[in-house]
Amino acid sequence: EAGVTQSPTHLIKTRGQQATLRCSPISGHTSVYWYQQALGLGLQFLLWYDEGEERNRGNFPPRFSGRQFPNYSSELNVNALLLGDSALYLCASSLGQGSQETQYFGPGTRLLVL
Amino acid sequence: GESVGLHLPTLSVQEGDNSIINCAYSNSASDYFIWYKQESGKGPQFIIDIRSNMDKRQGQRVTVLLNKTVKHLSLQIAATQPGDSAVYFCAEAYQGGKLIFGQGTELSVKP
Repeated sequence: EAGVTQSPTHLIKTRGQQATLRCSPISGHTSVYWYQQALGLGLQFLLWYDEGEERNRGNFPPRFSGRQFPNYSSELNVNALLLGDSALYLCASSLGQGSQETQYFGPGTRLLVL
Repeated sequence: GESVGLHLPTLSVQEGDNSIINCAYSNSASDYFIWYKQESGKGPQFIIDIRSNMDKRQGQRVTVLLNKTVKHLSLQIAATQPGDSAVYFCAEAYQGGKLIFGQGTELSVKP
């Protein structure tokens, strides 16, 4: 069974640009989560999507947004990029939306903002 | 506040020894905890989980212990191997789909 996949693996942008990151969940999983892992910091929760709806977001500004498509894949958009947005962005998926559903992670997209 | 912390940022062990990685959490209402392993350049890999109605859970070479009285959990790795070298994170399942991660412990296994 294929795991969570993310694309691209690496992304280089300049300040002010927009970045789009993509995620495909494990087959059968309906919930998708996004996390940011900045250098020297732990994983910080960004967003949670389930059944096409945003269910929760972390303490990030509105320029971090996303969506979930009917096939449960998801997209994370970061607008007006700042140098501090450089990080590894991780996507996870789970079978359901309960708080005890195990989240399985993809390999991440490494975003570098110059 | 929300926090899941690790007592030891780095741990160096000899191959074949047992490893113990500790974690403290702050939300006494949390009822689900997960340990992840993250190798360099990769995403976190699920190792083992435990629910609050259990004190101990065993997997292959790994055991997780949960002490709700002192809000502490630990990951024990038996017969540690070089392939176990990685950063280990504990995570606390919070409401709203959110996992709260600790800062991580880097495990280094010496051959």
